[in-house]
Amino acid sequence: AQSVTQLGSHVSVSEGALVLLRCNYSSSVPPYLFWYVQYPNQGLQLLLKYTSAATLVKGINGFEAEFKKSETSFHLTKPSAHMSDAAEYFCAVSGVGYQKVTFGTGTKLQVIP
Amino acid sequence: EPEVTQTPSHQVTQMGQEVILRCVPISNHLYFYWYRQILGQKVEFLVSFYNNEISEKSEIFDDQFSVERPDGSNFTLKIRSTKLEDSAMYFCASSERQGNTNEKLFFGSGTQLSVL
Repeated sequence: AQSVTQLGSHVSVSEGALVLLRCNYSSSVPPYLFWYVQYPNQGLQLLLKYTSAATLVKGINGFEAEFKKSETSFHLTKPSAHMSDAAEYFCAVSGVGYQKVTFGTGTKLQVIP
Repeated sequence: EPEVTQTPSHQVTQMGQEVILRCVPISNHLYFYWYRQILGQKVEFLVSFYNNEISEKSEIFDDQFSVERPDGSNFTLKIRSTKLEDSAMYFCASSERQGNTNEKLFFGSGTQLSVL
């Protein structure tokens, strides 16, 4: 069984500040891990994914995440927040393949001018 | 970038009525999925579909639910007799292959189903 826990349902940062969205996973098999973003009135868009290659994964829009097995974490970061980053972010996990992806509860990111 | 298209964007129905949610996956994709998100809750896997049959389903996907690929382009989710608790955003997704580390799951923008 696999699950992810996202710490913080709402996060506010100032424009230009560091973005850190936390995700911890639980998996009985080596996981695939994902971050998705959902802008208002839009579908889920893949930001980045970890599939057992490099532990530091770079995604779109300047986001990156680091897989830390010892901490069972996959936190999402961006050095400098932009107003357009305001959205809801979902951490997700699956086993090999994409048959079933299990999502976290989501974190809404607010960027303050 | 190619898109998964879902219609309608909003669907309102009376409890007990049948609804069909429609999706047009990306044309060369072979694997299709439905997920749902009840307001304030997680996005949940419902079902995956490949080669004209269900390959996996969750405990949510009971006998009231069915999926179909009627014409080679559309992928539909039918709820036979809707309940209040079926109110949610339903997301369709598709992928070209499965089990490939370079594979990507494409999601549609969702259909908001409201059961009154």
